[in-house]
Amino acid sequence: EIVLTQSPGTLSLSPGERATLSCRASQSVAGTYLAWYQQKPGQAPRLLIYGASSRATGIPDRFSGSGSGTDFTLTISRLEPEDFAVYYCLQYGTSRTFGQGTKVEIK
Amino acid sequence: QVQLHQWGAGLLKPSETLSLTCAVYGGSFSDFCWTWIRQPPGKGLEWIGEIDPSGNTNYNPSLQSRLTMSVDTSKNQFSLKLTSMTAADTAVYYCVRGGGGTCPDIWGQGTMVFVSS
Repeated sequence: EIVLTQSPGTLSLSPGERATLSCRASQSVAGTYLAWYQQKPGQAPRLLIYGASSRATGIPDRFSGSGSGTDFTLTISRLEPEDFAVYYCLQYGTSRTFGQGTKVEIK
Repeated sequence: QVQLHQWGAGLLKPSETLSLTCAVYGGSFSDFCWTWIRQPPGKGLEWIGEIDPSGNTNYNPSLQSRLTMSVDTSKNQFSLKLTSMTAADTAVYYCVRGGGGTCPDIWGQGTMVFVSS
């Protein structure tokens, strides 16, 4: 099973700042089949990025994904108030596993 | 616009079987795989398994012995059964479009399932 480790566990930032979230895999993710989701309290997750770097429909361009192999990054260029949430990565190349999540909180 | 609507019992006793169904409205049912994901209270997401329109399944190995998924293409529905429920299975269960080589993208509203005696 591929284990995904997200870091940091919590990111404390102010609106307007840049957020960089990491997702590291225990072995190479096949085909860059890596996705990022945003989840707010009481809501279902929302797909942000798929294929490591492709934005899902309707996702603002301040969200970007990068990486390959075992190291992946989600970057939010300038945090908006609505971006404070929990973010999960998912690898869907070999079976499917989620990372444990990174909480982006207001500093 | 594709929407997923799910339903099933929300309160179970230990050893009972969870049954959930998800109906898909809009879009093409036969062009996608369909996935179940759960989230224990205050915790992260866990992939349960997926099924394609032909009924081929791919299960989380940790749940495989208790899990059955099925699909009814005539109704655009897919279902999950999880036997021998315990308190550790208490979670919000989501049905999601996607699977196989396609990233899960559209989520149902979620069903909170409690297991308690």
